[in-house]
Amino acid sequence: DSGVTQTPKHLITATGQRVTLRCSPRSGDLSVYWYQQSLDQGLQFLIQYYNGEERAKGNILERFSAQQFPDLHSELNLSSLELGDSALYFCASTRDRNNEQFFGPGTRLTVL
Amino acid sequence: QKEVEQDPGPLSVPEGAIVSLNCTYSNSAFQYFMWYRQYSRKGPELLMYTYSSGNKEDGRFTAQVDKSSKYISLFIRDSQPSDSATYLCAMRRNSGNTPLVFGKGTRLSVIA
Repeated sequence: DSGVTQTPKHLITATGQRVTLRCSPRSGDLSVYWYQQSLDQGLQFLIQYYNGEERAKGNILERFSAQQFPDLHSELNLSSLELGDSALYFCASTRDRNNEQFFGPGTRLTVL
Repeated sequence: QKEVEQDPGPLSVPEGAIVSLNCTYSNSAFQYFMWYRQYSRKGPELLMYTYSSGNKEDGRFTAQVDKSSKYISLFIRDSQPSDSATYLCAMRRNSGNTPLVFGKGTRLSVIA
């Protein structure tokens, strides 16, 4: 158990809908990263937050957004969902200036 | 050319064999190199973490980095059926909180 928690484990929804994925980092970790894992693309970095502020952006679609709250948990919002958004979504956390990222168990999103 | 290339396999070996997993990369700015193990439907688990060139050993696992060739390896000695998983290489450019760039992963099966 990495200490990173993610909810829900599974999510099934329809095209055009909006969903919110939640991540709680390890105790004391200030940085949260979101990744998308699909069969053809592998693990792709989406966005990073550090202590409530956006730090880096990767291949994140405009339909996707995220935030990190004062208690350091983070939410990833996916809207106008398309079939191609079906994937595993992982969050990871690190301590300040620590290079080791610890991953949560992921949320499996299925868009029908 | 992708920044990180990794043969997806699948790789099938008998129990007790030595396994060699490899990644090549194109960005000479990468300084930190990691190997993650991912069991089916689980989050990636950090196995090995190395900085710059050299070797690092941890039990049955040895990680090697050759920056001059832009090539990293993970060796697993005395492989066990419980080592059956997907192995992902990952790397980052500098210290601090920067995102990881992943290979697509190699699926390994160790047959008893």
